[in-house]
Amino acid sequence: EAQVTQNPRYLITVTGKKLTVTCSQNMNHEYMSWYRQDPGLGLRQIYYSMNVEVTDKGDVPEGYKVSRKEKRNFPLILESPSPNQTSLYFCASSSGTGLGEQYFGPGTRLTVT
Amino acid sequence: AQTVTQSQPEMSVQEAETVTLSCTYDTSESDYYLFWYKQPPSRQMILVIRQEAYKQQNATENRFSVNFQKAAKSFSLKISDSQLGDAAMYFCAYRNPYNTDKLIFGTGTRLQVFP
Repeated sequence: EAQVTQNPRYLITVTGKKLTVTCSQNMNHEYMSWYRQDPGLGLRQIYYSMNVEVTDKGDVPEGYKVSRKEKRNFPLILESPSPNQTSLYFCASSSGTGLGEQYFGPGTRLTVT
Repeated sequence: AQTVTQSQPEMSVQEAETVTLSCTYDTSESDYYLFWYKQPPSRQMILVIRQEAYKQQNATENRFSVNFQKAAKSFSLKISDSQLGDAAMYFCAYRNPYNTDKLIFGTGTRLQVFP
């Protein structure tokens, strides 16, 4: 079954404690992205990757890091989380061709206190 | 920069009736792609329908259809014969042909369906 998986699904942490949200896809997609969803703002792209070792900033990259060492994995790293990073996070992957569908993971609800 | 606007934060419809969700966008590109995603309470993002700007014919997927007006930069979603399972948040999204992985989303419309 084609899918994007994310872990953990829920996370409560404290300010400044480094955390990683993992993302993995089994469709051999070249393109992967991270989005955050906030009420009244829709989804906004944080970072994206066009292939292994190729990443670039999206619209809201401050406070986040990513890496793409393997094609299937694209972890999101928060080195020093702050309360304004409390949000719902989605990982997505696609073949990157025009009308090609972006497949989304199930989401990670992050709360930073 | 491209933007997507959904001016209806909430809509409601009675079961079996038809409802239209509006979406407008701003772009200087001539070719691009438009999408509607559904987000039910499970939070999963589900692709509902998609349209390429170069195609004049409006896309249709079963009970879902779009009214694509390129000159007006409008991309509304029509849901016919509404069902209780259609209750969800609906997001309109834009993708340009250059950065093919980036979707620009509207702020969403919450649809309630009443029996």
